[in-house]
Amino acid sequence: QKEVEQNSGPLSVPEGAIASLNCTYSDRGSQSFFWYRQYSGKSPELIMFIYSNGDKEDGRFTAQLNKASQYVSLLIRDSQPSDSATYLCAVKIEGATNKLIFGTGTLLAVQP
Amino acid sequence: DAGITQSPRHKVTETGTPVTLRCHQTENHRYMYWYRQDPGHGLRLIHYSYGVKDTDKGEVSDGYSVSRSKTEDFLLTLESATSSQTSVYFCAISNGQGNEKLFFGSGTQLSVL
Repeated sequence: QKEVEQNSGPLSVPEGAIASLNCTYSDRGSQSFFWYRQYSGKSPELIMFIYSNGDKEDGRFTAQLNKASQYVSLLIRDSQPSDSATYLCAVKIEGATNKLIFGTGTLLAVQP
Repeated sequence: DAGITQSPRHKVTETGTPVTLRCHQTENHRYMYWYRQDPGHGLRLIHYSYGVKDTDKGEVSDGYSVSRSKTEDFLLTLESATSSQTSVYFCAISNGQGNEKLFFGSGTQLSVL
């Protein structure tokens, strides 16, 4: 069973701090990784994707991928109360066209 | 929500009754998916479609069937609803062609009493 693991949280950070969200995955052959943000009662929204080892930056968000250690992380700089949400990590199943496996999500709470 | 409409948004039904949820897209995307989301389990794939009349099972397909007769519509049917199928159901679409980014509909809250 291919798995994606996340700490459910809540992760509480003060406003302006860096929030670090982590995800590990079991399928060593996975090549595509995604971060979704989900506000309470809403649908998931894609915020970042990464395919290569290293860092990928988009505004206040940085995705980090380490395939050797099988983990992917999301850093949120200058955290704002509006960033409070559940963050879902998703991994494409290798060999399966366009199928993603999701982690259970990490709840982030940014304290004003 | 990227041109995706789910209906109904909320439904309450009784155990043993059939239920059909509809997903309609205006993006002309090839791939369509049905996920369910439950506390402690995250999003789990029920069924997906890679073209008209082309569907396949996901990780939690028992008790569910799907149909896709047109590119824009993907139906999820619970033949005989059970209380364990109480959940939030999300439809998602992607363009495929090496692009696995999923875009989600607003969801359907289904309660089976």
